[in-house]
Amino acid sequence: EDQVTQSPEALRLQEGESSSLNCSYTVSGLRGLFWYRQDPGKGPEFLFTLYSAGEEKEKERLKATLTKKESFLHITAPKPEDSATYLCAVLDSNYQLIWGAGTKLIIKP
Amino acid sequence: DTAVSQTPKYLVTQMGNDKSIKCEQNLGHDTMYWYKQDSKKFLKIMFSYNNKELIINETVPNRFSPKSPDKAHLNLHINSLELGDSAVYFCASSQDAGEDTEAFFGQGTRLTVV
Repeated sequence: EDQVTQSPEALRLQEGESSSLNCSYTVSGLRGLFWYRQDPGKGPEFLFTLYSAGEEKEKERLKATLTKKESFLHITAPKPEDSATYLCAVLDSNYQLIWGAGTKLIIKP
Repeated sequence: DTAVSQTPKYLVTQMGNDKSIKCEQNLGHDTMYWYKQDSKKFLKIMFSYNNKELIINETVPNRFSPKSPDKAHLNLHINSLELGDSAVYFCASSQDAGEDTEAFFGQGTRLTVV
């Protein structure tokens, strides 16, 4: 069965303290892996799409990487406004989109 | 301009009632979705419509019925509401249902069944 697992469930960092969020997956044929950001009371907001192992994408303080088993979302020198829940989703060979439960990131000033 | 808008934002209703949630997108996308996000924050797809044709219908109760009058609208009607239907429902749209499925989400509708 296709599965997407995100870890940790929650992460508290001090402002400026870099870290990484993990998204591990087992799917039948990866067509794409997506990262979204969700703020409280709002819908998910698209960040990145990764299609193949070795691919990397960056946006401001965020960098997403992909291997054959997992993806990392690296956050460098985070700011309080980076606090949100970060969701990972995987598109499998049947075009089914499977979502992880998210990592709640809290950045303290 | 709101890309994907859904109404209402909050909905509190009694068990057994019938309710509808409306969704509209002004992005010109061909595919629209309804998701349910439960208390554990898992997003589960319920329905997907591509050019007014249902292309995914996950095993949701038949009390839930999507209706798409045109490709810019996908409404969700729920009959005989149950306590377990309480959740946040998100509408989303994407250009197509393929690999470039960058989805744009609405603000969500928090449904509380009492």
